[in-house]
Amino acid sequence: DAGITQSPRHKVTETGTPVTLRCHQTENHRYMYWYRQDPGHGLRLIHYSYGVKDTDKGEVSDGYSVSRSKTEDFLLTLESATSSQTSVYFCAISESGRQGATEAFFGQGTRLTVV
Amino acid sequence: GESVGLHLPTLSVQEGDNSIINCAYSNSASDYFIWYKQESGKGPQFIIDIRSNMDKRQGQRVTVLLNKTVKHLSLQIAATQPGDSAVYFCATYGKLTFGQGTILTVHP
Repeated sequence: DAGITQSPRHKVTETGTPVTLRCHQTENHRYMYWYRQDPGHGLRLIHYSYGVKDTDKGEVSDGYSVSRSKTEDFLLTLESATSSQTSVYFCAISESGRQGATEAFFGQGTRLTVV
Repeated sequence: GESVGLHLPTLSVQEGDNSIINCAYSNSASDYFIWYKQESGKGPQFIIDIRSNMDKRQGQRVTVLLNKTVKHLSLQIAATQPGDSAVYFCATYGKLTFGQGTILTVHP
């Protein structure tokens, strides 16, 4: 994997509790993304970042917030977890090249279960 | 909004056959397209990409075709092997948006 570490890899939490997932990269890439993957829905973008302290919403951002205080770390927070947020979460990183965007590399995923 | 979709959710082939996986996209301003392979329990892995100034690109056993007129791209895998069994996604920039995926099963 291209220098991307997600933590934790597995988590079980109770409804209503806050949860923070961490994505750490060693590639110094500018762009970072958080996705969730559910059966029948593929990968859906939650939030992304295009630089330190620069973030924007994706298609399924409700109930999630993000922060990026350093190039290498992108945090995803569920302020009050719900059962509908049970999913596998993937972080990705990418860079811009001379021709524009370049391919994104993915972490191994975090399996979150909200009970 | 931007969307990317796949025509066929599953594809079963025999080992040695050629496989074709299709994808439609909606954003005519998209200029960069990527195919990913995802094996069970793992994150998506890059296979091949193509920019909008090209209509065909070849890699090792894989070819991507882009038809901007009808907003369609395809992934061709030659001499498909059991190790190719996985879920395949197309993705496009603007925001990096993925289709639902096609499950490819290769029978020995």
